[in-house]
Amino acid sequence: GEDVEQSLFLSVREGDSSVINCTYTDSSSTYLYWYKQEPGAGLQLLTYIFSNMDMKQDQRLTVLLNKKDKHLSLRIADTQTGDSAIYFCAVRNAGNNRKLIWGLGTSLAVNP
Amino acid sequence: DTEVTQTPKHLVMGMTNKKSLKCEQHMGHRAMYWYKQKAKKPPELMFVYSYEKLSINESVPSRFSPECPNSSLLNLHLHALQPEDSALYLCASSQVDLGLSYNEQFFGPGTRLTVL
Repeated sequence: GEDVEQSLFLSVREGDSSVINCTYTDSSSTYLYWYKQEPGAGLQLLTYIFSNMDMKQDQRLTVLLNKKDKHLSLRIADTQTGDSAIYFCAVRNAGNNRKLIWGLGTSLAVNP
Repeated sequence: DTEVTQTPKHLVMGMTNKKSLKCEQHMGHRAMYWYKQKAKKPPELMFVYSYEKLSINESVPSRFSPECPNSSLLNLHLHALQPEDSALYLCASSQVDLGLSYNEQFFGPGTRLTVL
């Protein structure tokens, strides 16, 4: 079945850019999502990209999709302390679009 | 209204208690989901309702009983839980297209459940 992998930790300085990476195995993945979870909170949908796109930009967020390498990244420009959270990558496949396959999450720490 | 609400925020129950978790959305979404999430782990899908009918049960123990009274409400009835069931329970909803494509899921803030 589909497997989604992320590095577990990332530490950046305030004001720098953060890049969170995700790899997946199923080339039939149709939609790829980034969710943010702050401590004690629910999951916030940050952005998503459809598989026929290479890039999507939304204010400080840039999503890049490399379908050949099955690699997804989320870049956060001018990272702030409020960006400290766990970031989950999730993918949806054409075969079963009711279910999301989740990565383990990347814990982003922003240091002042 | 782009919000999914969940009540209660916190719940502590004994192993012999019966309690219910509630979820509500007014976005007109026709799919609703229950997830269980342990600390620092991704959410695990439990149930999916589509057009008020149960469409996915991920082999969840019968001590968890979902109910979808109407298109805006989703309940999770709890009975005879175990301490290992302590977790954050998340509700989500999504739009369903005419072609039965399930769109992006929007999550509620969750109910933090502790079973003693």
